Amino acid sequence: DTAVSQTPKYLVTQMGNDKSIKCEQNLGHDTMYWYKQDSKKFLKIMFSYNNKELIINETVPNRFSPKSPDKAHLNLHINSLELGDSAVYFCASSQTGGSEEQYFGPGTRLTVT
Amino acid sequence: AQKVTQAQTEISVVEKEDVTLDCVYETRDTTYYLFWYKQPPSGELVFLIRRNSFDEQNEISGRYSWNFQKSTSSFNFTITASQVVDSAVYFCALTENAGKSTFGDGTTLTVKP
Repeated sequence: DTAVSQTPKYLVTQMGNDKSIKCEQNLGHDTMYWYKQDSKKFLKIMFSYNNKELIINETVPNRFSPKSPDKAHLNLHINSLELGDSAVYFCASSQTGGSEEQYFGPGTRLTVT
Repeated sequence: AQKVTQAQTEISVVEKEDVTLDCVYETRDTTYYLFWYKQPPSGELVFLIRRNSFDEQNEISGRYSWNFQKSTSSFNFTITASQVVDSAVYFCALTENAGKSTFGDGTTLTVKP
C-alpha cells in the first residue's frame, strides 16, 4: 500500500503549457504539502494545507495553484510553464501541522523544454 | 526567521568509518521541532528522527545516533560503522509553532567500499 502517491512520476512539456500533478495520501493525515527540489537538491516548501484549508503559501509565482478537493488529496496546477519550473516536486503529508514528521511521495520530475 | 545550516555540502568516507553530519539552526520560538530525513539515490525522502525543543535527550537507533544541544543550537547526526547503503543526501529540518518547515541545504554522504 502506497502511503503518499503522486502522478505522474515524470512530466516533460514545453514552455507555455499548463500541467497538473496529483497527490493522494491514505494515511488519514490532516496536513499536506508541496515542495520543490531544484537541481542542487535544495528543498523548499511551496504550500501547506490543513483539512483542505491553505495555511502556508510561500513566495511562489501565482502561476502555481494548489487545490485540495478533500483532505486526502492535494493537487498542484501550473500555468504557463517556464524553463525555471523544471525541478522535482514532492508532495508530503503529516498527522497534524509541522510538529509531526512528514511522509513524502516519490516525487514528480518536471522538465520544461 | 528560522534558518537551518548544514555546513558540510559533501562528505566522503570509507566503509566502517564513523561520520557526523552537522546541523545548526536558528529560531526565535521556544517551541520547535527538529527532524532528519534521508534521500537515497533512488530519490525518495525518508523520515529518520523527530525531536521537540523540550527534549534534549540524545537518541540512538542501531548505528544512528543524534545529539541535540540547545546551548549551541545544534542537532548533529552520527552514523557509526558506515555502510555503502548509507550513501544519500541527508536533510536537517526545523518547524516552528506556526507550522512552516525549513530544510537545510542537505549533506551528500558518499560511503566508499
